[in-house]
Amino acid sequence: DVKVTQSSRYLVKRTGEKVFLECVQDMDHENMFWYRQDPGLGLRLIYFSYDVKMKEKGDIPEGYSVSREKKERFSLILESASTNQTSMYLCASRWDSKSYNEQFFGPGTRLTVL
Amino acid sequence: AQSVTQLDSQVPVFEEAPVELRCNYSSSVSVYLFWYVQYPNQGLQLLLKYLSGSTLVKGINGFEAEFNKSQTSFHLRKPSVHISDTAEYFCAVSQNAGNNRKLIWGLGTSLAVNP
Repeated sequence: DVKVTQSSRYLVKRTGEKVFLECVQDMDHENMFWYRQDPGLGLRLIYFSYDVKMKEKGDIPEGYSVSREKKERFSLILESASTNQTSMYLCASRWDSKSYNEQFFGPGTRLTVL
Repeated sequence: AQSVTQLDSQVPVFEEAPVELRCNYSSSVSVYLFWYVQYPNQGLQLLLKYLSGSTLVKGINGFEAEFNKSQTSFHLRKPSVHISDTAEYFCAVSQNAGNNRKLIWGLGTSLAVNP
């Protein structure tokens, strides 16, 4: 079974802190994604990576950056956390860029910024 | 541009009753269609997907969905729900061409199964 793990289930940070969210997948998937999930807004794509060191902005990249130095790991970085970044963050991976392939999700990180 | 509309944000239903969660999409090209489920405090997992062929697609946990091209719909159904089906359900679409990398998501439907 594909496993996607996220470094924390719950995280509390202060405004202005630099925050790292880590995601690891164990199935050699090429594509990885970061979403945020907010009530009434569904899933919104922040960034995705279609290969190592490759990244592309999603729909809401402002205030975020990403890093993918190794195939299995995709990090989301909040350079200076703000209260409006309080949210559930979901990581996903996919075998490759074929659009019929499913995405596999991690359990999510619920981030609270105070 | 593509879009997905889930017509109901919340669906309450009694245990053992049938349920239908509605999804409509718009696209100028052919699409692949997906339903994902998110159980409380978990990530999403794939319920079923339509790629081509038979318009009735069967998925996990007794769910099925029917692709209707003329109505641009992909409604999810289950003939008899259980308490354990309480979850958030998301419909998604991707372009059926080349290496389109992104899914377009609906806003979700919260299914609450009551005893």
